[in-house]
Amino acid sequence: AQKVTQAQTEISVVEKEDVTLDCVYETRDTTYYLFWYKQPPSGELVFLIRRNSFDEQNEISGRYSWNFQKSTSSFNFTITASQVVDSAVYFCALMEYGNKLVFGAGTILRVKS
Amino acid sequence: KAGVTQTPRYLIKTRGQQVTLSCSPISGHRSVSWYQQTPGQGLQFLFEYFSETQRNKGNFPGRFSGRQFSNSRSEMNVSTLELGDSALYLCASSGGTTSQETQYFGPGTRLLVL
Repeated sequence: AQKVTQAQTEISVVEKEDVTLDCVYETRDTTYYLFWYKQPPSGELVFLIRRNSFDEQNEISGRYSWNFQKSTSSFNFTITASQVVDSAVYFCALMEYGNKLVFGAGTILRVKS
Repeated sequence: KAGVTQTPRYLIKTRGQQVTLSCSPISGHRSVSWYQQTPGQGLQFLFEYFSETQRNKGNFPGRFSGRQFSNSRSEMNVSTLELGDSALYLCASSGGTTSQETQYFGPGTRLLVL
């Protein structure tokens, strides 16, 4: 069965600190997709990134970077120089065959000024 | 392009009533998925519709149903509401032509059952 674990329930940082959100997944499939979504207080889930199981190339996009390691089944997300506007709940999600997303429990990120 | 829209945004019902939620996908998207978000269970998949047909279904009782229209708009219905149905209901759309596509979410409908 699919499973996504976000062990960090809540993280608090001071503005400009770097912060890494952890995600560990379980799947028996060899082809799968991993996602990160952000949920601000308004409630809407905002898509951040998608990675295929066969693409382990890590990426940096502005202040965001992602570290995908199949050997440890991890898909971690880092925000450098955090800002107050980054405060939100961040969800890691797994998709196997079909269009069903399985979400982790989410990590609450609080960035204080 | 306009994003996914959901109506109504907020809803208050009493136990035993039924409720219908609406979702309009991004223009050109043909797949609509529904998710329930509660503090206790987190985000859970309800079902997915593509070309007016349910293509995938989560583990929810039959009180939860949905449908999709020819213009890809989707509705979700919950009958005989229970207190535990209080949740944020999120709708997501994707192109739908292939599986495992990125889903884009709407703002959600917050349902409170009293």
